[in-house]
Amino acid sequence: DQQVKQNSPSLSVQEGRISILNCDYTNSMFDYFLWYKKYPAEGPTFLISISSIKDKNEDGRFTVFLNKSAKHLSLHIVPSQPGDSAVYFCAASGDNYGQNFVFGPGTRLSVLP
Amino acid sequence: DAMVIQNPRYQVTQFGKPVTLSCSQTLNHNVMYWYQQKSSQAPKLLFHYYDKDFNNEADTPDNFQSRRPNTSFCFLDIRSPGLGDAAMYLCATSRGGTSVQEIQYFGPGTRLLVL
Repeated sequence: DQQVKQNSPSLSVQEGRISILNCDYTNSMFDYFLWYKKYPAEGPTFLISISSIKDKNEDGRFTVFLNKSAKHLSLHIVPSQPGDSAVYFCAASGDNYGQNFVFGPGTRLSVLP
Repeated sequence: DAMVIQNPRYQVTQFGKPVTLSCSQTLNHNVMYWYQQKSSQAPKLLFHYYDKDFNNEADTPDNFQSRRPNTSFCFLDIRSPGLGDAAMYLCATSRGGTSVQEIQYFGPGTRLLVL
């Protein structure tokens, strides 16, 4: 039973446009969410996070939005660049120490020049 | 500078032959994790150590064991690998603590092939 879902296995976007990656979760106890980016032959690297006390967090070109009532979060990348082409994982945690993370299956983003 | 190092990057073993994957870190983090990731699936947490305290996920098979002899190193032992254990194994670390929300730092992974 997948607690964290990323229903789009892949997404293609033109360079300079907005990329929107979506993530849905089922466990209402989750209160901390992260996005990781993964390039081929590398481990995932942390991108941005959001706590359930917020509905938006921004870091440069990356913004994460959280809709708790819908159990949905999204990552916006504006403007998209070819170097953003990677697999993006959504992860969620519900314990105080944030050590038990549940990951989604990832979305492969391709930014076309 | 590599912060979480996994060796080897590729490991081939035979069905039923024990294999050990290793992970080391230069971050001096308290927590170390092992994940299993099969193709196009989510990384699945197998277990983690908070210092020397071992935390096993409920659905991690007994075939998987782990050792953490010191802060820097953590090992994943697969006692009798089956074909279904072929996967990417990711090691990660995090600082650990009660006052900060965690970020995990991942190694590049070891891809295990079982013949």
